[in-house]
Amino acid sequence: GAVVSQHPSWVICKSGTSVKIECRSLDFQATTMFWYRQFPKQSLMLMATSNEGSKATYEQGVEKDKFLINHASLTLSTLTVTSAHPEDSSFYICSAKRGQGFNSPLHFGNGTRLTVT
Amino acid sequence: KNQVEQSPQSLIILEGKNCTLQCNYTVSPFSNLRWYKQDTGRGPVSLTIMTFSENTKSNGRYTATLDADTKQSSLHITASQLSDSASYICVVGTGNQFYFGTGTSLTVIP
Repeated sequence: GAVVSQHPSWVICKSGTSVKIECRSLDFQATTMFWYRQFPKQSLMLMATSNEGSKATYEQGVEKDKFLINHASLTLSTLTVTSAHPEDSSFYICSAKRGQGFNSPLHFGNGTRLTVT
Repeated sequence: KNQVEQSPQSLIILEGKNCTLQCNYTVSPFSNLRWYKQDTGRGPVSLTIMTFSENTKSNGRYTATLDADTKQSSLHITASQLSDSASYICVVGTGNQFYFGTGTSLTVIP
């Protein structure tokens, strides 16, 4: 069964509103979670690394004020897309590392399809 | 520059046939190499993970190989099934960073 739960699986929102996406590790604690964006027929693009209890590390070109990440507990990270625009429409995926080691399993959520109208 | 390249970009095979997907990387230092299967509209699911000292690992009909000297990996799928139709992604880890290949889209036809 799924070890990383992502919610919602899809969401439609109006331009200018904010949307929150949740990523939960179900049966393990994850000090590090990752957020990705995926365009059609392309691979995952890392947006940011979410660290429990500290600020997220954003990749170059990703606006931290637009994509707010909160990792408030060892099992939950949230991504909030603020003031969404149609160009933010995409497939967003999270992942969580089970364990601290470099070779620890990396589990992915099932993604959230965001459509901004 | 750390890069992961996969080939072919797409592949169509008949049900029951075997196929091999390739992954070349320049990531350094190397920690591990992972293969994932991603169905359309879903998150990636782990198939195998290999460290530097491992040169082959199997998971059912999936067998991954790793040549750390040439920085190449392959994923061999045996006796393909319609449900194998998906995107296969090679991910190379270095420390707590992961580099993703662009994926191979596999279509298995009856």
